[in-house]
Order: sequence, then structure tokens, then C-alpha cells
Amino acid sequence: SAVISQKPSRDICQRGTSLTIQCQVDSQVTMMFWYRQQPGQSLTLIATANQGSEATYESGFVIDKFPISRPNLTFSTLTVSNMSPEDSSIYLCSVPGQVNTEAFFGQGTRLTVV
Amino acid sequence: SQQGEEDPQALSIQEGENATMNCSYKTSINNLQWYRQNSGRGLVHLILIRSNEREKHSGRLRVTLDTSKKSSSLLITASRAADTASYFCATDEVPYNTDKLIFGTGTRLQVFP
Repeated sequence: SAVISQKPSRDICQRGTSLTIQCQVDSQVTMMFWYRQQPGQSLTLIATANQGSEATYESGFVIDKFPISRPNLTFSTLTVSNMSPEDSSIYLCSVPGQVNTEAFFGQGTRLTVV
Repeated sequence: SQQGEEDPQALSIQEGENATMNCSYKTSINNLQWYRQNSGRGLVHLILIRSNEREKHSGRLRVTLDTSKKSSSLLITASRAADTASYFCATDEVPYNTDKLIFGTGTRLQVFP
């Protein structure tokens, strides 16, 4: 199993500013994933954070808006840049389990942009 | 969109009744997982069913999987008010051989005392 510490748990930010969310895993993992959950919606994958290379972004998400760092095998950050109210969401990081076992999720960051 | 579909979108029942949620997905899978989320908080893993399994039980939960129809169902028996939450199915994507999960649209369950 893996334990993920994600912070901050929530924040209220002014539009036009940026927020960096951190995820720390208690074990080394090859891949980490970042998801967004808009109000009342399901989870949508933003990107895969790969250690030692650039993140891989899903359709509709770009590096300039959501830059990701992955400096080592236990840590990653997601920055939400130049925020607008439409960025108000819960952001979650995740790591996969072993083959055919559950994935693990951080507790999420609830972001409100005003 | 690769996102799976779930139905119903919302379900309201009385305590003691059973709740059934359905999930459909689009690609071949290695496994399908069900998660619960209370009030927009973190996800709680409920159960994982592998592609070669047809049914799995865990306490009051029963999950079925029909890979020919690319569908799954989650049954919660003898529901309790504490079961009130959103429920999501999630699948991996065999064709792409990655560990990322594709989530269904979710079912919001309300259990009234």
C-alpha cells in the first residue's frame, strides 16, 4: 500500500494568481497522476507525472496552465497558473498499486478562486 | 471522451433498501474498481474486480462484471444512512498499457433514515 500526503487541503485564491499543490508518497513510485474534479462532476485526468522527464498531459490540459514537477520518486507538485473561477475544483494526486490492485489517492485539495 | 458512463446519476432510497448502480466503459480492461467519495472529500476504495472475474462480494457490496457488454454493477444491500455518498467506477486501459484510471460519471446516492 501507499500513503499519500497532499497539501494544502483547501485554499481560496484570487483570480490571476497561482497555487502549487504538493503530494508526498511514503514509498518510491514510477508514476504519479493528477486529477481534477469540477463541482458535481467526476474525476478527469490532467497529466501523468514521470520522474526524470516531462509530464504527459491529457487532451484539453496544457503545461503552461498546469505545470508539473517530479523531482524524485516520492514527490510531485501541480501548479494551477493564472487562475480563474473556472479552476475552482478539487485536485487529487494518485499513484497506482501493484498489478491488479487498487490505486491510492491523496485527500485532495479543494480550490476556490474568487 | 474516454470517460465511462454510470447510471443512475442520482438515487434516493430508504434505509434497509438495496441500491444498484451501473457502469459502462469503452476499452478492454485488466480490472474495474469502485470508489466512494463523501461530500467531495478523498476517494475510498471499495472493491476491485479483475477482467476474468464475473462476481465479487465484500460485506454488503456485490459487484458484477460483464466484459462482453463492457459493463459492471455495484449492489449495496441493506443500505444505511452512512452509505450516502457519490460512487464512481474506474477502469484502466489495456490498449494503452498505462496505470492511469478512467472514471465513470458517478452516481450520487442518498439514503434516508
